[in-house]
Amino acid sequence: QKEVEQDPGPLSVPEGAIVSLNCTYSNSAFQYFMWYRQYSRKGPELLMYTYSSGNKEDGRFTAQVDKSSKYISLFIRDSQPSDSATYLCAMIQGAQKLVFGQGTRLTINP
Amino acid sequence: KAGVTQTPRYLIKTRGQQVTLSCSPISGHRSVSWYQQTPGQGLQFLFEYFSETQRNKGNFPGRFSGRQFSNSRSEMNVSTLELGDSALYLCASSLGRSATNEKLFFGSGTQLSVL
Repeated sequence: QKEVEQDPGPLSVPEGAIVSLNCTYSNSAFQYFMWYRQYSRKGPELLMYTYSSGNKEDGRFTAQVDKSSKYISLFIRDSQPSDSATYLCAMIQGAQKLVFGQGTRLTINP
Repeated sequence: KAGVTQTPRYLIKTRGQQVTLSCSPISGHRSVSWYQQTPGQGLQFLFEYFSETQRNKGNFPGRFSGRQFSNSRSEMNVSTLELGDSALYLCASSLGRSATNEKLFFGSGTQLSVL
């Protein structure tokens, strides 16, 4: 079993919809949680970085962490075609271990 | 400020050959890490360098090696290429000592195809 599980999709939604992306993890020692966005033929770029349970909002993006359920989510409101990309969750344990999810490919249809 | 630069962008090799990939980090960044990305396995950590020293290594065979120069530029080498080495190889730089506690900045990667 992988330490971080993420549904690879693909996920296709109409423009303006609310998108929910999720990851589950098995290692309770993970302390920091991140979401990266990766456009086609580009490297990942950091979207959100959280270290505690609860919600963190940045514009149309909200990251949610539930440590008791070992579950993290990324919500995108008022989705745009420019949000079409692969979204990767990532988690950190201590100073040495950074683990990525497989990534979910998202398409927003105009 | 220029981002992370990886060269070449695309590479085609045959089985048994070796390949060297290059990464120039953001100016001032001293930590460089390398990742392999495939559709089936996602992003997998290869190794991390800080001040020319390898600080951490992932679970890859010894055919995968790397180094970092005094100007923080880094190279990775894969010897005796196998078909399964076909992947996007990503380099990431960060400001501080540990890439796991710093914001990572990724390059666009080198797409390696092994025939």
